Amino acid sequence: DAEITQSPRHKITETGRQVTLACHQTWNHNNMFWYRQDLGHGLRLIHYSYGVQDTNKGEVSDGYSVSRSNTEDLPLTLESAASSQTSVYFCASSPGTTGTDTQYFGPGTRLTVL
Amino acid sequence: AQSVTQLGSHVSVSEGALVLLRCNYSSSVPPYLFWYVQYPNQGLQLLLKYTTGATLVKGINGFEAEFKKSETSFHLTKPSAHMSDAAEYFCAVSDSGGYNKLIFGAGTRLAVHP
Repeated sequence: DAEITQSPRHKITETGRQVTLACHQTWNHNNMFWYRQDLGHGLRLIHYSYGVQDTNKGEVSDGYSVSRSNTEDLPLTLESAASSQTSVYFCASSPGTTGTDTQYFGPGTRLTVL
Repeated sequence: AQSVTQLGSHVSVSEGALVLLRCNYSSSVPPYLFWYVQYPNQGLQLLLKYTTGATLVKGINGFEAEFKKSETSFHLTKPSAHMSDAAEYFCAVSDSGGYNKLIFGAGTRLAVHP
């Protein structure tokens, strides 16, 4: 079955370190998204991509970067981790380019920055 | 700018009672509206969505929601709560500024007690 996976599921790192969170989908979806989930804020969009070589900043992109070299993967990199980036991170994908598409979410990565 | 407000961060109901989770949105264009559910330690999954047409939308697990343009609301209901409905519920609106970008509310945690 097609799916979307994230790794690692849990990560503890130190302030200042570079961290990369992986997201892989096997649906061949064009669109991929990264969100962070924090209490009281719901999900906030970090970065998104509508296809290979396309990346765009979301609402809370400072300190994060992404690259899209193939359809299946959209890794999220924290260039220099900060304690404010302690959060749960969700990757999602959707098939097309309309506002009606359903987004399919991965299981999440819980990141702790000490 | 579009936004979503979910009234009540926590809702508690008895098993068998009516579930009502409130969502109001602001949008300058006809909105696409979504309800997602998140079970503990899992990603989000779609409950239902409104795009166009019938304003009463039926979703999975017996949930439904009604789009009321005059009230800018999209409240989620279920006639009879089950213990398995305990989860966090997110209302979202599709961002008119970009394909399939979602703006989420802060979420409502539903507790169901015997």
